Amino acid sequence: AQKVTQAQTEISVVEKEDVTLDCVYETRDTTYYLFWYKQPPSGELVFLIRRNSFDEQNEISGRYSWNFQKSTSSFNFTITASQVVDSAVYFCALSEERGTGTASKLTFGTGTRLQVTL
Amino acid sequence: EAGVVQSPRYKIIEKKQPVAFWCNPISGHNTLYWYLQNLGQGPELLIRYENEEAVDDSQLPKDRFSAERLKGVDSTLKIQPAELGDSAVYLCASSFGDRGFNEQYFGPGTRLTVT
Repeated sequence: AQKVTQAQTEISVVEKEDVTLDCVYETRDTTYYLFWYKQPPSGELVFLIRRNSFDEQNEISGRYSWNFQKSTSSFNFTITASQVVDSAVYFCALSEERGTGTASKLTFGTGTRLQVTL
Repeated sequence: EAGVVQSPRYKIIEKKQPVAFWCNPISGHNTLYWYLQNLGQGPELLIRYENEEAVDDSQLPKDRFSAERLKGVDSTLKIQPAELGDSAVYLCASSFGDRGFNEQYFGPGTRLTVT
């Protein structure tokens, strides 16, 4: 069974600090996909990134970067120079690719609430 | 491009009353999902549609929950009768395709309070 663990329930930082959100996953499949979503106070989950299990290259997008390490089953998310607008709940999620070509469900972690203050 | 639209945004009802939520997915997205999100938790899938067919409803409590997606576009999720434990946020999402790599786009959700 697939599982996603986000051990950090809540993180508070001061603006301009760097912050890393941890995500550890479990899966038996060799082909799977990892996602990060942001949920601001408005409630709508916003897609941030998707990573394939066969692509371990780290990715950077502006102030955001992601570190995917299959050896430790982790997919961590770093925000550099955090801003107040980054305050939200961040979810890591996992989906598997079945051999039949049909998707498994998307399994979410419990989320990490990030609070960025001035 | 318009995102996933849900209504109402908030609903307060008394227990044992019926309630319905509506979702309009992103144009062209054939896959539609309903999720339940409890406070402090991640979303959990209730049902997934491919066009008008419910292809995964294993997590839907069928004694009181029902859903439909007529014509493969809009969808309605119904609870009858509602219980106190149904208080949560109900999220709708859509994607172009049902493969594992297809990113899902979420609506703002309907926050249900059962008193």
